[in-house]
Amino acid sequence: QITLKESGPTLVKPTQTLTLTCTLSGFSLSTSGVGVGWIRQPPGKALEWLALIYWDDDKRYSPSLKSRLTITKDTSKNQVVLTMTNMDPVDTATYYCAHSHGYHFDCWGQGTPVTVSS
Amino acid sequence: QSALTQPASVSGSPGQSISISCTGTSSDVGSYNLVSWYQQHPGKAPKLMIYEDSKRPSGVSNRFSGSKSGNTASLTISGLQAEDEADYYCCSYAGSSTYVFGTGTKVTVL
Repeated sequence: QITLKESGPTLVKPTQTLTLTCTLSGFSLSTSGVGVGWIRQPPGKALEWLALIYWDDDKRYSPSLKSRLTITKDTSKNQVVLTMTNMDPVDTATYYCAHSHGYHFDCWGQGTPVTVSS
Repeated sequence: QSALTQPASVSGSPGQSISISCTGTSSDVGSYNLVSWYQQHPGKAPKLMIYEDSKRPSGVSNRFSGSKSGNTASLTISGLQAEDEADYYCCSYAGSSTYVFGTGTKVTVL
């Protein structure tokens, strides 16, 4: 059974860097074709795709946020980490990580809420 | 890379069929047979309902179907049930391993 769980701070200050961890279970990010993505959702708003990392360490980012995002994986720990620099109140959202094997996201974590406020 | 356009809301009575449109461009929806649809109940994580335009994952009711014509994809829910009341999002592959989501549609069962 594939599961993913996000963890990280619930509150960050403006200009700080956010670091979120996605812990994977039931699959390996070293398996060919597998990827893990990050998607966020501001309160009451739509989903927004942020980044994706593949089994071969290929990394892809949203063009509008690319300069602020870094995605990495630690296969031995079964974790994927997303960092976002220069946080702003508009970045307040629930952040999800999701499993991808193909061109869709077939299993999602429960999400972790992040508020950006001083 | 702009968000795909969906109607803000769609409603229907139990037993009816409804369709939700998802309009993109020739750079995303129109270029690939790679539109997926997600159902999201309040306070819950999204759930994959349709992938590759019209394929249904195991366990998803056959009341849900997907189609596409040109730059517009559609999700149809037939035999509408109270449990189908939720937000629905489309998502398209946009090339170079990037993705774009839709603006979201709130489905109300009257």
